[in-house]
Amino acid sequence: AQSVTQPDIHITVSEGASLELRCNYSYGATPYLFWYVQSPGQGLQLLLKYFSGDTLVQGIKGFEAEFKRSQSSFNLRKPSVHWSDAAEYFCAVGALFGNEKLTFGTGTRLTIIP
Amino acid sequence: GAGVSQTPSNKVTEKGKYVELRCDPISGHTALYWYRQSLGQGPEFLIYFQGTGAADDSGLPNDRFFAVRPEGSVSTLKIQRTERGDSAVYLCASSLKPGLDTDTQYFGPGTRLTVL
Repeated sequence: AQSVTQPDIHITVSEGASLELRCNYSYGATPYLFWYVQSPGQGLQLLLKYFSGDTLVQGIKGFEAEFKRSQSSFNLRKPSVHWSDAAEYFCAVGALFGNEKLTFGTGTRLTIIP
Repeated sequence: GAGVSQTPSNKVTEKGKYVELRCDPISGHTALYWYRQSLGQGPEFLIYFQGTGAADDSGLPNDRFFAVRPEGSVSTLKIQRTERGDSAVYLCASSLKPGLDTDTQYFGPGTRLTVL
C-alpha cells in the first residue's frame, strides 16, 4: 500500500527566507507525486506534480520540488517566501495504473514571520 | 469558470441523525472524488465515480456511508446514523477525465460536519 510521511508538523520561516518542506513516500513502483496547498477557507490547490522525466519540477507561485528515488523523497522548495505563502501544505502519492485515489500526508503548517 | 462547489459549508447534527452532503463538480468533469479530512490529518480517500458509477468505493469506512451520482454530475454523500467520529471536513474533487497522469483533481472548499 502507498503511504506518505511529512515529518514536520509545523515550520516557521521569516519572510524572504528560503523554504524546504519534506516529504517521503512509500510505494512499490514509480509513483505519481503531488504537492497541494490549503489556505483557510479555501479548497486544496495543486502546486505541482511529478509523473516521469525531469526529476526537478516547477510549479505555481514559484515553488519547485525534486524527486529523489534513492531517498524516496519529494521535497518542496521555494527560494524566497512571501507572507501569502502561510498555509497548510500536503504531499500526496498516487499509483501508476488503475488507481485514481490520492494518498495524502498529514500536512505541514507553514507560518511566516515578518 | 466556476470551481467545485459543496453545500452546505457547515452542517451540525446530532448523533444518530441522517445527513446528506452535496457536491457540484466543474461542468463537464466526468470523474468525481470524495475525501474526508479529520482534524490534524490529511485528506483520506472515500470513493471515486467515473460517470454515474462508483469505480472505487474502497475508502468508505462502513455501510453507514453511501454516495450517489445519478446523472453523472452532482453527487451526494449520505451518512446514516451519524456518530461523533464522523465529524470531519468532507472534500469533493473533480477531474475532466480519470488518470492521475493526464488530469488534475480540483478540490472544493469542503463541508464541515459536526456530530454532537
